[in-house]
This record gives sequence, C-alpha cells and structure tokens, in this order.
Amino acid sequence: AQTVTQSQPEMSVQEAETVTLSCTYDTSESDYYLFWYKQPPSRQMILVIRQEAYKQQNATENRFSVNFQKAAKSFSLKISDSQLGDAAMYFCALGSGGGADGLTFGKGTHLIIQP
Amino acid sequence: EPEVTQTPSHQVTQMGQEVILRCVPISNHLYFYWYRQILGQKVEFLVSFYNNEISEKSEIFDDQFSVERPDGSNFTLKIRSTKLEDSAMYFCASGWGMDTQYFGPGTRLTVL
Repeated sequence: AQTVTQSQPEMSVQEAETVTLSCTYDTSESDYYLFWYKQPPSRQMILVIRQEAYKQQNATENRFSVNFQKAAKSFSLKISDSQLGDAAMYFCALGSGGGADGLTFGKGTHLIIQP
Repeated sequence: EPEVTQTPSHQVTQMGQEVILRCVPISNHLYFYWYRQILGQKVEFLVSFYNNEISEKSEIFDDQFSVERPDGSNFTLKIRSTKLEDSAMYFCASGWGMDTQYFGPGTRLTVL
C-alpha cells in the first residue's frame, strides 16, 4: 500500500518570505508521480506542481519549487516570496499504476500568511 | 483553458434517498475519477473509470455507489441510499494517466 505523510499540520510565514512544506511517501512502484495541490477556502483542488520520479531535476513553477529526494522518499514544496493568496491547505499526493489507480493524498498542511 | 465541471455545487438530501452527482470531464481525457473529502480530512480515492468501465475502486466504494458515463461527456456518481456519513465534498477528476489529474470544483453533499 502507498502512503503519503505530511508531518506539519500548520505552518505560518510572513508575507514575502520563503516557506517549505514537507512530505514523505512510500511506494513499491518504480514509476510514479508526485504532486502538490492547493485547496483554498473554496475547497477547489488546484494543481500547483508535479514531479516525475524518473527525472532527477527538481520541478519549478514560478515561485513554487520542489526538493525531490528519491532515495529518502521526500518531496518538499518551497514557496518563495509568499503572497496573501498563497494561504490555503496544501496536499501532497502520489500517483502510480498507469492511471487506473487514484492518487494517494497526505493529510495536508494549513499554510497561514502573516501580512 | 478546458476545465472539469461538476453539478450541483451543493446537494442537500435526506438519509436513505438516492443522489446523483454529475461531472463533465475534460473532453480528450481518458481516465475519470471520483474522490471524496470529509470535512477536515484528507482527500480519499473512490473509483477510477477507463474505456467505459471501472478500472479500480477503493474499499469505500461499496455496493451503494455506482458510476456511469451515460453519454460522451457526462460522468456520474450515484449513491443509492445515503447515510449521514456520506456527507462530504465529492470531487471528480480527469486525466490522461497517472501523470496529471485535473479536479473539478466539487459537490458538497449534506445528508440530513
């Protein structure tokens, strides 16, 4: 069985600062993807960034980047220049199985942005 | 940009009633999914659908649940006899495979 663990229930950061959200996972699959989804108060699930396990280069999307440590099964999200609109729940998720398997989600980290 | 849509946004029903939640996935996607999120908890996979049949389902997806793709665009989740514990946000998602899943805005189901 696959597992995703987010050990930080809540994080707080000052606006314009940098914050890192942690995620560890476990899977026996060799081919998989990792994702960070953002869930604002509207509860919509918004894809922030994804990482392919076979790619060593860390994914980046504007102010969002990941630190993917495959051997350690760690997948952290770094948000640079935090903005008030970044305040949300952030979920780490793991996908494998060629598409038939659903994503396995962590419990989420509530990110608070202090003005 | 194409997006997954879901209707209704909020459904209130009485315990024991049947509900149908509707989704329109992104048109050229191959895989369709339903997830649920009980308030304050993580998102849980229910079922995946590919080539007009169920591909995988979780232990949550018991006999009271069913899915259907009645035409070329809609994807539905039916709950036959709702229970109080079915109250949750239900998300539809679609994608080409495991590389990306795009989520709809969700349907909030309240069972009274």
